[in-house]
Amino acid sequence: DIQMTQSPSSVSASVGDRVTITCRASQDISYWLAWYQQKPGEAPKLLIYGASTLQTGVPLRFSGSGSGTDFTLTISSLQPEDFATYYCQQTDSFPQEITFGQGTRLEIK
Amino acid sequence: QVQLQESGPGLVKPSETLSLTCTVSGGSISTYYWSWIRQPPGKGLEWIGYIHYSGSTNYNPSLKGRVTISLDTSKNDFSLRLTSVTTADTAVYYCARVRNGFWAAYDNWGQGTLVTVSS
Repeated sequence: DIQMTQSPSSVSASVGDRVTITCRASQDISYWLAWYQQKPGEAPKLLIYGASTLQTGVPLRFSGSGSGTDFTLTISSLQPEDFATYYCQQTDSFPQEITFGQGTRLEIK
Repeated sequence: QVQLQESGPGLVKPSETLSLTCTVSGGSISTYYWSWIRQPPGKGLEWIGYIHYSGSTNYNPSLKGRVTISLDTSKNDFSLRLTSVTTADTAVYYCARVRNGFWAAYDNWGQGTLVTVSS
């Protein structure tokens, strides 16, 4: 199975900061990578799919990049509503086993 | 606007069977793939399995044959059955949809339902 490793596990930042979260796959997954945002008590919300395509309605301050094994999620200017946990997900194995990263908790500094 | 809603018992005893249903409204279940994902309290997301509208399924090997996902087109819902549960199966269980053209990402999720395994 494909392992997904996110870094950092947690990060503290301030409103207006630029934040980058990294996700590394244990093997080449091309562009089969999605990013989700999850707030406490809520279901995950799709932000980005295909490594870089922004889901409809997601603010333009979110962006994704990468291919192969290394991917990044960038938030260009943090807003108060962005403080949440972020997960990457590989879908290269679809419809066989897909896997999530362990999550990155974004906290207010 | 398609909506997904999980339902089922919130408490299951150890060694018994966990059964949940995901009702799909606002659209037909006879398209795409449908899935169950779970999240133990304070932990990350774990994929449980998929069902295609044709009825074909794929499951997480770590669940060692305990899991069955089925689909009822007449009711527009799909179900999860997990046998021989232990306290390690305590989690929030989500149903979700995989839609064509989204690189197999989950574009629509239910709100989740907490299932506690305890005697």
